[in-house]
Amino acid sequence: EAGVVQSPRYKIIEKKQPVAFWCNPISGHNTLYWYLQNLGQGPELLIRYENEEAVDDSQLPKDRFSAERLKGVDSTLKIQPAELGDSAVYLCASSLTPAGGETQYFGPGTRLLVL
Amino acid sequence: AQSVSQHNHHVILSEAASLELGCNYSYGGTVNLFWYVQYPGQHLQLLLKYFSGDPLVKGIKGFEAEFIKSKFSFNLRKPSVQWSDTAEYFCAVNAPDSSYKLIFGSGTRLLVRP
Repeated sequence: EAGVVQSPRYKIIEKKQPVAFWCNPISGHNTLYWYLQNLGQGPELLIRYENEEAVDDSQLPKDRFSAERLKGVDSTLKIQPAELGDSAVYLCASSLTPAGGETQYFGPGTRLLVL
Repeated sequence: AQSVSQHNHHVILSEAASLELGCNYSYGGTVNLFWYVQYPGQHLQLLLKYFSGDPLVKGIKGFEAEFIKSKFSFNLRKPSVQWSDTAEYFCAVNAPDSSYKLIFGSGTRLLVRP
């Protein structure tokens, strides 16, 4: 079974440029998550999707970040414009359901460097 | 708000030494607890989890963790570490009151010397 796929794996951009990350969850997983992981920290949830619906986006900086999950499968996270402080690893995860005991399966992440 | 504390940021052990990584959380209600591991160059993966039943949970690769409700702790243990256990370990918690939002600790980097 294929795991969570993310692309690109690495991205270097200049500040004020836009950037987008793509995620393909495990087949059949209705719940999709985007996390931000800063150096030396644990992942922090940015947004959670149940199928196409964003059910928890309270931590998403909506002035510059946006996300979508069309057709309830793949998802894209966008930053426009990027700032120096956005340099981090962006992780995508998926699970069958959002229930508490469910395991979240993580992708390899996209490492973003903003110059 | 929930939070998770991992007090040991870096741990260095020799092979065959015993391991215990501390994890404390701040939440008084029902919780689900997880340990995730990230091996060098690999993605985060589940090591073990607790959501009900026996508070002593066994996971993959000989790891176990004990949920002690009175101490708000979920420490990770392994009796004899191997060089291949070198990785970063993250404790995480979620709760029904917060829509099962997963809160991670800051992680512990373990280096096992051969």
